[in-house]
Amino acid sequence: SAVISQKPSRDICQRGTSLTIQCQVDSQVTMMFWYRQQPGQSLTLIATANQGSEATYESGFVIDKFPISRPNLTFSTLTVSNMSPEDSSIYLCSSIGSNEKLFFGSGTQLSVL
Amino acid sequence: GEDVEQSLFLSVREGDSSVINCTYTDSSSTYLYWYKQEPGAGLQLLTYIFSNMDMKQDQRLTVLLNKKDKHLSLRIADTQTGDSAIYFCAERGTGTASKLTFGTGTRLQVTL
Repeated sequence: SAVISQKPSRDICQRGTSLTIQCQVDSQVTMMFWYRQQPGQSLTLIATANQGSEATYESGFVIDKFPISRPNLTFSTLTVSNMSPEDSSIYLCSSIGSNEKLFFGSGTQLSVL
Repeated sequence: GEDVEQSLFLSVREGDSSVINCTYTDSSSTYLYWYKQEPGAGLQLLTYIFSNMDMKQDQRLTVLLNKKDKHLSLRIADTQTGDSAIYFCAERGTGTASKLTFGTGTRLQVTL
């Protein structure tokens, strides 16, 4: 099974600032995914990050707000820009391992004041 | 778009079996997954089933899939207090994007 290390695990940020979340996979993966889980809710896909190309964003999410980098096949970052309290959520990265299993990082609990 | 529904809450006594249900709308689903989320933690993959299977068993976990009715269930035998968590089902459609659509989550409470 793939192991995904995600950091930071939690952060408290001021309104208007930006936070970059990092995910490191212990094996090479083609696609990585970024999800948001708002308080008490299910997971919503933000974007799919492919190595060597721009990320593909889901409806309601834009690159200016959530820029993503994917410099190689084991690493990706998601930045939450110009944060507001509405961005307070858990952010999770994931990737598909062997046998079609989708594994998740441990999540980043973000609180915006 | 695809939709995945779950009941919000389930309470069972320790030692009993738990059955968590899920319905989905995407008839082209290829894989269906069950995840467990404990408070303050990420998602742990419990098990998954390919859409051409009816059942899959893994120790205390049994997954049943009724593709005709688009109904998925997770049975936990001999439920323990450590099983208390939120359980999410998710379905994955076809195509290169391989996105997952998650259900609303079922909070399982295990009582003594």
